Amino acid sequence: DAKTTQPPSMDCAEGRAANLPCNHSTISGNEYVYWYRQIHSQGPQYIIHGLKNNETNEMASLIITEDRKSSTLILPHATLRDTAVYYCIVRAGSNDYKLSFGAGTTVTVRA
Amino acid sequence: GAVVSQHPSRVICKSGTSVKIECRSLDFQATTMFWYRQFPKQSLMLMATSNEGSKATYEQGVEKDKFLINHASLTLSTLTVTSAHPEDSSFYICSARQGSGGTEAFFGQGTRLTVV
Repeated sequence: DAKTTQPPSMDCAEGRAANLPCNHSTISGNEYVYWYRQIHSQGPQYIIHGLKNNETNEMASLIITEDRKSSTLILPHATLRDTAVYYCIVRAGSNDYKLSFGAGTTVTVRA
Repeated sequence: GAVVSQHPSRVICKSGTSVKIECRSLDFQATTMFWYRQFPKQSLMLMATSNEGSKATYEQGVEKDKFLINHASLTLSTLTVTSAHPEDSSFYICSARQGSGGTEAFFGQGTRLTVV
């Protein structure tokens, strides 16, 4: 699976949108982009995933560039409960579902 | 989304004893489950892939005789830490996927193991 690069940390204000970047320049055609988050001392929580089209669900939006070499996770209205480590993971659809977690981005939402 | 439940959520055991952690998929069947370990301030590291009805596949450097995995049914996988030592103290997390292809995996809430 392709490697991803994320900033180690970022702060955002409560109520504002949080835009989390992820670089995956070596992504191949059959690889999906997944986002998970881990709140302290809990298991990771699935957020969203996409292949090449932008995706939106009740938690977030995923914007994937046309060349698919980078993506942005958007939390539209960040709350204090969104403080967590966010992981961007690239995985082939045919993969037996091993997820390789990098260091992720530690997002701190401030009041 | 689908629910994966782990039990216990935290456990303290004495050195030399064994501890069993259960991972259940509550509302779906999971032919494959995964076990991860996470040390403080570190990311999750995959330990092994648990396949229903067959032997688990362990990642390099993970001792299969120390971390026994059993996946006897489509909804239950267990991880037994045998002869636990303080260095085995960690956060153990399981995951299971529903379906195949480009679908998401769901994680349990994790088990905090402390070996004293």
